[in-house]
Amino acid sequence: AQKVTQAQTEISVVEKEDVTLDCVYETRDTTYYLFWYKQPPSGELVFLIRRNSFDEQNEISGRYSWNFQKSTSSFNFTITASQVVDSAVYFCALSEGGTGNQFYFGTGTSLTVIP
Amino acid sequence: DVKVTQSSRYLVKRTGEKVFLECVQDMDHENMFWYRQDPGLGLRLIYFSYDVKMKEKGDIPEGYSVSREKKERFSLILESASTNQTSMYLCASILRDPGNTEAFFGQGTRLTVV
Repeated sequence: AQKVTQAQTEISVVEKEDVTLDCVYETRDTTYYLFWYKQPPSGELVFLIRRNSFDEQNEISGRYSWNFQKSTSSFNFTITASQVVDSAVYFCALSEGGTGNQFYFGTGTSLTVIP
Repeated sequence: DVKVTQSSRYLVKRTGEKVFLECVQDMDHENMFWYRQDPGLGLRLIYFSYDVKMKEKGDIPEGYSVSREKKERFSLILESASTNQTSMYLCASILRDPGNTEAFFGQGTRLTVV
């Protein structure tokens, strides 16, 4: 079974629109960590955020915000007022506390921001 | 500045060749990973290592092996390269306790097997 599901394969938005990228995870551990990474066309993965399972506070960083809801096993990522530089593939990932820190990645969402 | 370095950005190899992909990190991380990235499939774990000389199979280990003789270096080996191993390969490292840090990734090696 897929531990991390990113149902949106590709999304296109017009610049300045808001966009939400969905992430649903599955785990039986009580201690786990969730991550979002950005992969621009250059290929390297850029870390965006980490949340642990005990911290359900939503977080905002500039135009980025994250909504963590344990009740629905979701960790969604919203970009406000999107810009062309936001065009990238975004990956959600899960690391469970007792498995040697193995990371489980979703299949990624390719975001295109149209000028 | 933390760094994970992969030895090659692009590689072209022939079918049947033995291929070595090298990854070095300078952060004294215990855990290192090799992933393969293919369109529509995301990142799939090939092998990971949580200590020197220790290794664990990931989701798709067939056709690959790994070596970790030193803490900072984790090598991925394609014993006999095949065309279906044409892919982007990503190396990552992380401290044993992920609660205080994130995984750092190399720049990737795009391997083409002809």
